[in-house]
Amino acid sequence: GENVEQHPSTLSVQEGDSAVIKCTYSDSASNYFPWYKQELGKRPQLIIDIRSNVGEKKDQRIAVTLNKTAKHFSLHITETQPEDSAVYFCAASPLGGSYIPTFGRGTSLIVHP
Amino acid sequence: EAGVVQSPRYKIIEKKQPVAFWCNPISGHNTLYWYLQNLGQGPELLIRYENEEAVDDSQLPKDRFSAERLKGVDSTLKIQPAELGDSAVYLCASSIRDREGELFFGEGSRLTVL
Repeated sequence: GENVEQHPSTLSVQEGDSAVIKCTYSDSASNYFPWYKQELGKRPQLIIDIRSNVGEKKDQRIAVTLNKTAKHFSLHITETQPEDSAVYFCAASPLGGSYIPTFGRGTSLIVHP
Repeated sequence: EAGVVQSPRYKIIEKKQPVAFWCNPISGHNTLYWYLQNLGQGPELLIRYENEEAVDDSQLPKDRFSAERLKGVDSTLKIQPAELGDSAVYLCASSIRDREGELFFGEGSRLTVL
């Protein structure tokens, strides 16, 4: 089955800095890569996703890049704000048929004001 | 629209006791997932339903865990008997057929086994 590795486990930045979280996956059949944000005590929520037919997707201050050859994808957050502090999870899955996202272990992002 | 509703939010039981969690997915969402989330870990799939059919339950410890989704709407996850290692957050999620990539999660049920 799919195996998703996520790094770093903890990331501490100053407000206004950029943050990058990286994930690798093992199954070449995976073609859908969502990112979820989970605030303390809250539910995980989808913040951005990318499909394998594109290499980059951007939504305001967040962007995701995908390198299918190397089997890795990354989340980029620019101009970080304290409200970005949360745990971020990457996931990988094949779309169509048996859609079962496999999640990484999460990155705890701390943005210091 | 109402989100995924789970209950109870918190449950504390002694080991060997039974426990049940309930999930009401978003109306019209045909796919329902139960995930286990340990502290500091990502969600791990326990079981996935397409309507009322369990289509992937390979990770469900069937000796003590059971689940059902009657009429393809609400779902219940049961543990009997509970063990100390079952302490975790049990997350329910749902998705709709034409947007199957986007999972909508509930707030989770936090189980503590003493």
